[in-house]
Amino acid sequence: DAGVIQSPRHEVTEMGQEVTLRCKPISGHDYLFWYRQTMMRGLELLIYFNNNVPIDDSGMPEDRFSAKMPNASFSTLKIQPSEPRDSAVYFCASSGTGGTQYFGPGTRLLVL
Amino acid sequence: GQSLEQPSEVTAVEGAIVQINCTYQTSGFYGLSWYQQHDGGAPTFLSYNALDGLEETGRFSSFLSRSDSYGYLLLQELQMKDSASYFCAVNSAGNQGGKLIFGQGTELSVKP
Repeated sequence: DAGVIQSPRHEVTEMGQEVTLRCKPISGHDYLFWYRQTMMRGLELLIYFNNNVPIDDSGMPEDRFSAKMPNASFSTLKIQPSEPRDSAVYFCASSGTGGTQYFGPGTRLLVL
Repeated sequence: GQSLEQPSEVTAVEGAIVQINCTYQTSGFYGLSWYQQHDGGAPTFLSYNALDGLEETGRFSSFLSRSDSYGYLLLQELQMKDSASYFCAVNSAGNQGGKLIFGQGTELSVKP
């Protein structure tokens, strides 16, 4: 298996622009997680899905952030409008019933 | 609130043994995981303890005491490539997909 796939790997954008991050989970995994990692705040869970349904979005920082999972093989995390404080590494992870989470390579986002 | 405490950094020499401790305070507990993250990389799963006791996987072992809300990761025969950040994470939701709460991470530096 190719593992969790994320795109883009790097994104540089200007404040106010819309940013869309993409994730393809491991085939057969029915849980998908979006995390954000910064030096100051560490690794934070933003939202997670089970069978394409959002289960817990309590970690989503504010209304500028939204996430969707239209099918079992694709999810997006959107930031609109982006701000410099959104600069971070965003990880997507997936897991099956075993519970072990497998992380993608991450998207390094820089908002100028 | 929910919190995990682990040392921010540890230094050891090649060939030595190092123990990274983790104490947790969470509203639910179903297991303790450990992840490794190299600079610029994604977190990768190392081990999982759901029950009290020691789990051994090669040079790495993990221990859990649920009555003490405490666990540790033991790394033996340290190698330079073990220099990385190590995160403990609690499965607090109990569902099989495993929503995780991560500690802030311990940066391990292995010196020659």
